Amino acid sequence: DQQVKQNSPSLSVQEGRISILNCDYTNSMFDYFLWYKKYPAEGPTFLISISSIKDKNEDGRFTVFLNKSAKHLSLHIVPSQPGDSAVYFCAASATGDDKIIFGKGTRLHILP
Amino acid sequence: SQTIHQWPATLVQPVGSPLSLECTVEGTSNPNLYWYRQAAGRGLQLLFYSVGIGQISSEVPQNLSASRPQDRQFILSSKKLLLSDSGFYLCASITVNEQFFGPGTRLTVL
Repeated sequence: DQQVKQNSPSLSVQEGRISILNCDYTNSMFDYFLWYKKYPAEGPTFLISISSIKDKNEDGRFTVFLNKSAKHLSLHIVPSQPGDSAVYFCAASATGDDKIIFGKGTRLHILP
Repeated sequence: SQTIHQWPATLVQPVGSPLSLECTVEGTSNPNLYWYRQAAGRGLQLLFYSVGIGQISSEVPQNLSASRPQDRQFILSSKKLLLSDSGFYLCASITVNEQFFGPGTRLTVL
């Protein structure tokens, strides 16, 4: 049972435009959400997180939006740059449980 | 800041052979340690986590086992590898506020 779902395996975006990566979750106990970026043969790199008490968190070019009623979050990257080409993982955890559950990832291609 | 060491970086093993992947942690004590696997189409799958020496929780039934013989050492093992064990294995030290990942081991089972 996939508790964290990233339904788009890949996404192509023109350089300079906005990249929007989506994530859905099923476990209503999740109250902390994270986005990671991963290059091939490397460990994931933390990008940005959001607590369930917020609906938006912004850090530079990266903004994460959380819609608790829809159990949906999204990562916006604007403007998209060539170095943003990577696999992006959505992850979630619940208070009192240190386990972090990852989605399957979305491969983002930034086109020149 | 923590550092996670993993070795080897790459490994090619025949089906039926044993496996031992080692992970060690620097810069902290009593970490919560995790083994994840990234396989095609499966994303980052949590395999095992450990909150202390000798304490192992398994997330999915599988051909693998894990052990924590020392506070900062976490070992992933198999007695007989399957083709489906191929993937990229990541060791991590994780709390909600901080997550540290190792460089990973690419395992190919032939």
